[in-house]
Amino acid sequence: QLQLQESGPGLVKPSETLSLTCTVSGGSISSSTYYWGWIRQPPGKGLEWIGIIYYTETTYYNPSLKSRVTISVDTSKNQFSLKLNSVTAADTAVYYCARRRSGSYYENAFDIWGQGTMVTVSS
Amino acid sequence: QSALTQPPSASGSPGQSVTISCTGTSSDVGGYTYVSWYQQHPGKAPKLMIYEVSKRPSGVPDRFSGSKSGNTASLTVSGLQAEDEADYYCSSYAGNNNFLVFGTGTKVTVL
Repeated sequence: QLQLQESGPGLVKPSETLSLTCTVSGGSISSSTYYWGWIRQPPGKGLEWIGIIYYTETTYYNPSLKSRVTISVDTSKNQFSLKLNSVTAADTAVYYCARRRSGSYYENAFDIWGQGTMVTVSS
Repeated sequence: QSALTQPPSASGSPGQSVTISCTGTSSDVGGYTYVSWYQQHPGKAPKLMIYEVSKRPSGVPDRFSGSKSGNTASLTVSGLQAEDEADYYCSSYAGNNNFLVFGTGTKVTVL
């Protein structure tokens, strides 16, 4: 059974870089079918899509975050990662990693999610 | 890219039906058959309930159904049960530039 697990610091200082890793277990991140994504949710607010990556390193980012975001993949470790630079308090959120459910270009559904990790931006 | 518009809240008694709307534009909801719905209980990760407007993943009860008309998609929960009380979010493919957008979310209360 495929599982995803986020890991990384729970506290980041303003202006620094937020770094998170998602470890995929029970399946291969190099599957030709799936993209892997990051989604976040500020406390008490809705979901915001951050970006997705394919094992070949093809990426798509939310235009509103694109200038600050980098998503990468490490197939040898079955992991993908998120870096968000120049963070502010507005970046405080629960960060989820998830699997996009099919290889269709238009696919927007994520069918398997990690449990989420809370990241607070504060000095 | 603006979030898709959902009503903040909806409610129904056990056994009744509740329908949640998700309004976008011709550049997202109205332009594609890629609308999905998620259920989220407090402190939990979202769970995919509907994809491609009306398809249910394995294990999702057939009490949950989706539809779309023009720029508005809808999720209907029939035969409401206590465990259906949760937040619900829609999502749509939003074209080459924006790619994906979520709705504002709706809190469903079972009275």
